[in-house]
Amino acid sequence: IAGITQAPTSQILAAGRRMTLRCTQDMRHNAMYWYRQDLGLGLRLIHYSNTAGTTGKGEVPDGYSVSRANTDDFPLTLASAVPSQTSVYFCASSFGLAGYNEQFFGPGTRLTVL
Amino acid sequence: GENVEQHPSTLSVQEGDSAVIKCTYSDSASNYFPWYKQELGKRPQLIIDIRSNVGEKKDQRIAVTLNKTAKHFSLHITETQPEDSAVYFCALRRKLIFGQGTELSVKP
Repeated sequence: IAGITQAPTSQILAAGRRMTLRCTQDMRHNAMYWYRQDLGLGLRLIHYSNTAGTTGKGEVPDGYSVSRANTDDFPLTLASAVPSQTSVYFCASSFGLAGYNEQFFGPGTRLTVL
Repeated sequence: GENVEQHPSTLSVQEGDSAVIKCTYSDSASNYFPWYKQELGKRPQLIIDIRSNVGEKKDQRIAVTLNKTAKHFSLHITETQPEDSAVYFCALRRKLIFGQGTELSVKP
């Protein structure tokens, strides 16, 4: 693994189903993030994690949950998917939560909820 | 809540012309302002950033200016080329928020 990866690349999901998007980084970054990207709305923060064992809510957390059991992995779960969660999801990581730390983004997961 | 307003939402220029994208914010404590470029179907990538203790930073054909008093910062691209066509996002790093994006189209 080099950098930050996401899986799956794309997914079509029936409404009401549970789905977990995976994110893994090998840069030993402390902070990790989940954003969703919708046309005309830019990138909106869903959840973030400052360090392993801690998580926080972003701008649009409803319907999503996260966990941070270790430094490398930061999965995002949709407990019961709805069509409004159709979006492109980007995971990101950085050395620290704030400060002058560059955020590095994964390749994204395109999710369609029908 | 805190936000950042980015304008214009779309920008079309001729190759060789300059392009300017502006972001206005309200968070007085913000001190780091990155710009990201996202090509079609790809991930956002950092292209330039500026800290609050400087007013301007340049990197070849791109530059960023910051006016902390007026709370706005701008991305300047000179001598635009077709490969500059992409969506550009400004961000408030302290607040983990991004602007709405500007779709830049450079016509040959």
